[in-house]
Amino acid sequence: QKEVEQDPGPLSVPEGAIVSLNCTYSNSAFQYFMWYRQYSRKGPELLMYTYSSGNKEDGRFTAQVDKSSKYISLFIRDSQPSDSATYLCAMSRGSGSARQLTFGSGTQLTVLP
Amino acid sequence: NAGVTQTPKFRVLKTGQSMTLLCAQDMNHEYMYWYRQDPGMGLRLIHYSVGEGTTAKGEVPDGYNVSRLKKQNFLLGLESAAPSQTSVYFCASSYSLGRGGSRFETQYFGPGTRLLVL
Repeated sequence: QKEVEQDPGPLSVPEGAIVSLNCTYSNSAFQYFMWYRQYSRKGPELLMYTYSSGNKEDGRFTAQVDKSSKYISLFIRDSQPSDSATYLCAMSRGSGSARQLTFGSGTQLTVLP
Repeated sequence: NAGVTQTPKFRVLKTGQSMTLLCAQDMNHEYMYWYRQDPGMGLRLIHYSVGEGTTAKGEVPDGYNVSRLKKQNFLLGLESAAPSQTSVYFCASSYSLGRGGSRFETQYFGPGTRLLVL
């Protein structure tokens, strides 16, 4: 069983829709939770990160972490065609001298104009 | 500021051939990483380095070697390529940010190298 599970999609929504992307995990030692966005044939780029449980908002994006349920979410409000990409969740234990990330498999999102 | 660059962008190898992938960063980051990305598997860490002259194994290190002779460069070597090593390889680098009790390193990724092993 993978440590991090992510629905691969693909997910297709109309412009302006609210998008919900989710990951579940099994390792309770994870402390840092990240969302990366990856455009086609590009490297991933960090979108948001949270430490421990709670919500974090950045513009149209909201990240939620529920450590009791081992569940994290990314919400995109007023989705735009430019949001079309693969979204990867990632997590780390946060200990040691380097942050080894464990990634989900990614959800491919298409926002239709 | 070029960020993280990778060379080459695309390569085709025959089984048994060797090659080296080069990663360079100009952000003076201490940490560097090599990942591979395969369909349905996400990104998996191959090797990483916490500083010049130091390397460590990640989740899937078999069949790969690395070297970090200079702070800005991280090399990934395939001594004898196998079809199972067909993948997209990403390099990343990071520094620390965050205050108080939380320390978090944002990893900056390169554009990737597509490798096909026949």
